[in-house]
Amino acid sequence: GQNIDQPTEMTATEGAIVQINCTYQTSGFNGLFWYQQHAGEAPTFLSYNVLDGLEEKGRFSSFLSRSKGYSYLLLKELQMKDSASYLCAVRDILTGGGNKLTFGTGTQLKVEL
Amino acid sequence: EAQVTQNPRYLITVTGKKLTVTCSQNMNHEYMSWYRQDPGLGLRQIYYSMNVEVTDKGDVPEGYKVSRKEKRNFPLILESPSPNQTSLYFCASSPFGGGYNEQFFGPGTRLTVL
Repeated sequence: GQNIDQPTEMTATEGAIVQINCTYQTSGFNGLFWYQQHAGEAPTFLSYNVLDGLEEKGRFSSFLSRSKGYSYLLLKELQMKDSASYLCAVRDILTGGGNKLTFGTGTQLKVEL
Repeated sequence: EAQVTQNPRYLITVTGKKLTVTCSQNMNHEYMSWYRQDPGLGLRQIYYSMNVEVTDKGDVPEGYKVSRKEKRNFPLILESPSPNQTSLYFCASSPFGGGYNEQFFGPGTRLTVL
């Protein structure tokens, strides 16, 4: 099966940089996704990594190390609207028809003034 | 507008009263999935479908049924709801296959079973 770990909560200051870590164990790794979810709303896609390295997308970047089973999401120039839960999800080619996403429990980020 | 829709958005019901939550997508996606989200447990997959008439169990299928008679629709059926099925439910869809195929989520259905 899969096991995904990420911190439960983090707090950061507006304008700062925050890094949210995610570690995972899976048999048939086929990509890692980061989603943002505001309270009571649907998750929305942020980033995708399947090869090692850094993917940059505006204020958001995501890093992957497959050998370490590790990823992080980097948020720069934090804004109050970035206060949300950030979900790490791993796709496993061996389960769920190859499209299944297994989610971590999410990291609740609070951005303060 | 490309989207996944769910109905109803909110539902309060009583134990044992059959209910159906509808899900529809307009992106011609092959893959559809149902999740439930509970505090401290994250999103857990209930059922998924790889295409019309092809469905399979996810991690927490007990007490649920699904059907996929048309590509765009993937209803979730609770034949005899119980209080432990009180949760926030999300439907999602994506093109089938790997690569940069993100799952698109519906707006969610908050279900309370009394």
